Amino acid sequence: QVQLKESGPGLVQPSQTLSLTCTVSGFSLMDYSVHWVRQPPGKGLEWMGRMKYDGDTYYNSALKSRLSISRDTSKSQVFLKMNSLQTEDTAIYYCTGGLYWGQGVMVTVSS
Amino acid sequence: DIVMTQGALPNPVPSGESASITCQSSKSLLYSDGKTYLNWYLQRPGQSPQLLIYWMSTRASGVSDRFSGSGSGTDFTLKISRVEAEDVGVYYCQQFLEFPRTFGGGTKLELK
Repeated sequence: QVQLKESGPGLVQPSQTLSLTCTVSGFSLMDYSVHWVRQPPGKGLEWMGRMKYDGDTYYNSALKSRLSISRDTSKSQVFLKMNSLQTEDTAIYYCTGGLYWGQGVMVTVSS
Repeated sequence: DIVMTQGALPNPVPSGESASITCQSSKSLLYSDGKTYLNWYLQRPGQSPQLLIYWMSTRASGVSDRFSGSGSGTDFTLKISRVEAEDVGVYYCQQFLEFPRTFGGGTKLELK
C-alpha cells in the first residue's frame, strides 16, 4: 500500500541546516508529485514546496531563498534541505502526496 | 498569494447534529476546465491531516458520506451530518489552483 515516511534529526541548532528525507512506497516518484508541509506547535499548516513527478520543483516564495527539494527516484526518496534555521522553524514536517501523508517528524530548533 | 479564510464553529456541537464549516478564497478557484481547485482536510488530535474532499465536492476514497462539500468560485462549505466523536479535530481548506498552495487557518470542531 501507499506509504510515506519522514526521517531526520529531531534537534537542529539555530543558523544550521535542516535535512529531511521522505521515503515512499507503493508508488513511483516518476508518476506522482510529493509536497512538503509544516506545522508549528499548536498552529496551522504551511505549504513549503513540491517535487513534481517530472523532477520540476516549486517553492513557497517565503522560504525560497533557504529551501531546496530534490529526489533520488532509484531509492524512492525526496529530500528537503533548509538553511539558516531559526526558532520559528520549529515544527512538525510532513511529506504528502495529497491523499496520503506521512506521520510527520518533529523538528526543534534550539541551542 | 491566494488567501484562504475559514469561519469558526459554534462549539461544542451536539452529537448527532450537523455542522457547517465555511471557507472563503481571495480569488476564484473555478478554473476553465470547470473544476474548482479546493481540498478539505481533517486533522484529528495527534494525527496527520486526512484528505476528505477534493475538487470542492468529491469525497476521497473511504470518506463517510456524512461529509459533503459545496460552494461557488470563492465561497465554500463543508457540511458534516450527524456529527460523531471521530469527527473531532481541526478542519482545513486548501486551494490547489496556484502556487503556493495555501491553507485556511483551520476550524476546530468539538463535541458536546
